[in-house]
Amino acid sequence: DQQVKQNSPSLSVQEGRISILNCDYTNSMFDYFLWYKKYPAEGPTFLISISSIKDKNEDGRFTVFLNKSAKHLSLHIVPSQPGDSAVYFCAASLYSGAGSYQLTFGKGTKLSVIP
Amino acid sequence: KAGVTQTPRYLIKTRGQQVTLSCSPISGHRSVSWYQQTPGQGLQFLFEYFSETQRNKGNFPGRFSGRQFSNSRSEMNVSTLELGDSALYLCASSLAPGTTGANVLTFGAGSRLTVL
Repeated sequence: DQQVKQNSPSLSVQEGRISILNCDYTNSMFDYFLWYKKYPAEGPTFLISISSIKDKNEDGRFTVFLNKSAKHLSLHIVPSQPGDSAVYFCAASLYSGAGSYQLTFGKGTKLSVIP
Repeated sequence: KAGVTQTPRYLIKTRGQQVTLSCSPISGHRSVSWYQQTPGQGLQFLFEYFSETQRNKGNFPGRFSGRQFSNSRSEMNVSTLELGDSALYLCASSLAPGTTGANVLTFGAGSRLTVL
């Protein structure tokens, strides 16, 4: 049972335009959501996050939107740059007790920004 | 400060062998988690350690095991390797449970295991 889904395996966008990456989840107990970016031969790096009590968080060119009723979040990158080309993973955090959180990841979306 | 360090970066084993992977967390991070990444399945949670104790375990067979040392360094072991164990094994460290920001993981570059 896949609790975090990224239904688009890949996305191509022209440089300077907006990239929108989507993520759906099924577990309403998730209380924190994160986006990670991964380049080949490197580990995922943390990009941006949002608490379940908010519906938007912005950091420079990156904005994450959360729609709790739809169990959907999205990452907007404006403007897209060639260096943004990477695999983007959506992750959801669930409190697992005694102060611990467990992250569940989607399968990733490969973003290609075309110069 | 130094990032999460994983060794070895690449290794090749044959079926039936066993393998041990090592992870050194970021200084000050006391929790270590392990994930398996395969092309079709994304990142799958293996286990989490804090204070030398396994706190959470994913849905993997008992061939997969791990441990954490008093300096927070961690190792994971896979015994009786199967072809399907070929994957990128990622270690991530985080602040101690209950600390603000403890649910943000910092990943290492991974150990790429190929089983022949």
